[in-house]
Amino acid sequence: EDQVTQSPEALRLQEGESSSLNCSYTVSGLRGLFWYRQDPGKGPEFLFTLYSAGEEKEKERLKATLTKKESFLHITAPKPEDSATYLCAVQAEETSGSRLTFGEGTQLTVNP
Amino acid sequence: DGGITQSPKYLFRKEGQNVTLSCEQNLNHDAMYWYRQDPGQGLRLIYYSQIVNDFQKGDIAEGYSVSREKKESFPLTVTSAQKNPTAFYLCASSIPTDVYGYTFGSGTRLTVV
Repeated sequence: EDQVTQSPEALRLQEGESSSLNCSYTVSGLRGLFWYRQDPGKGPEFLFTLYSAGEEKEKERLKATLTKKESFLHITAPKPEDSATYLCAVQAEETSGSRLTFGEGTQLTVNP
Repeated sequence: DGGITQSPKYLFRKEGQNVTLSCEQNLNHDAMYWYRQDPGQGLRLIYYSQIVNDFQKGDIAEGYSVSREKKESFPLTVTSAQKNPTAFYLCASSIPTDVYGYTFGSGTRLTVV
């Protein structure tokens, strides 16, 4: 069974204080690992897809990295508008269709 | 602009009542999904469909039903058999042969009254 565990559950940062969110996964052959951002009361918004260990992707203040067991979402010099819940999801090679298994998310709050 | 539209945004259900949540997409995506989101539990898959007139149960399908008569539409019915329906429901779509990621709708919050 595919499993995704995100930590910490919640993270409070001061504006400009860099940090990282963790996503540990267990999957029988990884097809892809996804990061999403979700604002309260809204649907998740796609951020990144990572396919293989060693891969990195960047978007503004966010950088996602991938190893064989986990992924990190690094946030550099965050701003209050980065406050959101960040979701990690995996897709296994043997999965039916394109279904994803999601973690429980990390709720990030950036204080001005 | 292409996207996914969920309606209504808020829905209230009485005990013993069936309710239907709408999901429409104009992205020409083949696959569509329904997820349920509860606080502290992440997203759980209810049903998914890869092509018209075909759909599969997800991890928590009991008490729910779906149909896929058109490529653009994937409505979810929450039946009276679902004993704890209060949750945030998310519809998504994707291209099943390409690992691009889902496009999500804005969600429907269902509350039992």
